Parts: sequence; structure tokens; C-alpha cells
Amino acid sequence: KQEVTQIPAALSVPEGENLVLNCSFTDSAIYNLQWFRQDPGKGLTSLLLIQSSQREQTSGRLNASLDKSSGRSTLYIAASQPGDSATYLCAVRRSYGNNRLAFGKGNQVVVIP
Amino acid sequence: EPEVTQTPSHQVTQMGQEVILRCVPISNHLYFYWYRQILGQKVEFLVSFYNNEISEKSEIFDDQFSVERPDGSNFTLKIRSTKLEDSAMYFCASRAQLENEQFFGPGTRLTVL
Repeated sequence: KQEVTQIPAALSVPEGENLVLNCSFTDSAIYNLQWFRQDPGKGLTSLLLIQSSQREQTSGRLNASLDKSSGRSTLYIAASQPGDSATYLCAVRRSYGNNRLAFGKGNQVVVIP
Repeated sequence: EPEVTQTPSHQVTQMGQEVILRCVPISNHLYFYWYRQILGQKVEFLVSFYNNEISEKSEIFDDQFSVERPDGSNFTLKIRSTKLEDSAMYFCASRAQLENEQFFGPGTRLTVL
């Protein structure tokens, strides 16, 4: 069974600092990995998706890397802003025929103005 | 921008009652999902649906649960006899045929009293 862990569970950073959020998964045989943002009491907003054949994906200030062999992904958020305060979830999909996403518990981020 | 919508946003019910949670996936998507998130816990996969049938379900998705696509736009999750432990946020998601990204709705908060 795929287990997804996110460290740290919570962190606070001053505005302008870069954020580094870590995700690890126990089964490296994944099809893709997706990062989401979740605001309190709200739904999940997809940020980035990395296919298993890719090493990284970028969107604006966000960069996600994937090291499949070691079972790790990192989400970098450059020059953090108070609006980046949210919980960031990592989710992996095991194989092409297997649709389900296995989620981590999230990294809860507070950016201090 | 197209989005997944869900109704109601909050449902309160008595234990033992039936509830139906409704979702309108993105219009050209063909894969549909239900996930749930118990307060403070990980998002968990319940079921995936494609071509008018369940393609995959988790251990959570027992005989109390059913899904249906009653028309060309709606996708529903029915819980026949709710239990206290069914209290959670329920998320609907959808995916296009040749894409890998799952898009989530805002969720329905189900409270079972």
C-alpha cells in the first residue's frame, strides 16, 4: 500500500523567503505526482502535475521536482507572499490503469507579512 | 475557466438517514471520482467511475455507498444509512480522457448527528 508523508507538517516563514515543502512516498512505481493547494474549509486546487518520466515542472513562482527512485518530491515556492498561506497536499497515482490518488496529510504554511 | 461544482456545500443529517451528494464535473471530462476527508486526516479515495460503471473502489466504499450518473451532467454519491463516522468533507473530481490531471470541486461538508 502506498504511503505518502509530508514534512514538515506545519511551518511559518516571513514574507519574501523561499518555501521548501517535502513529500515522500513508499512505492516508487508511480505514474505521476500532483501538488494541490487547500485553503481552510475549501476544495483542492491543482498546482502542478509531474509525470513519472519528468524531473521537474514549473509554473510561475512554483517549481516541483521529482526523484522517483528515492521516492521524493519537493515543492519550491519562491519569494513567498501572505497569499501563499494554505495547506499544500502531495498526491501520487500508482499506475496508468490505477486511477486513485494517494494523498499526504499536507504541509500547513503560514507566511508572515 | 471550467470547474467542478458540488451541491450542497453543507449537509446536516440524522444517523440512519440517506443522503445524496451532487456533483457537476467539467463538461468534456469522462473520468469521475469521489474522495473524502475526515477532519484533520488525509484525503481518501472512495471510487472512480468511467463509461457508466465503477472502475475502481476502495475498502471504504462498501454496500452503503453507491454512485450514479443519472444524466449527461450530474454525478452523485449516495450514502444509504449514514453513520456518525461518515461525517467528513466529500470531494468530487473529474479528469479528461487523454489528460492526467484531476480537478476537484469545492466539497460538501457532511455532518451526521
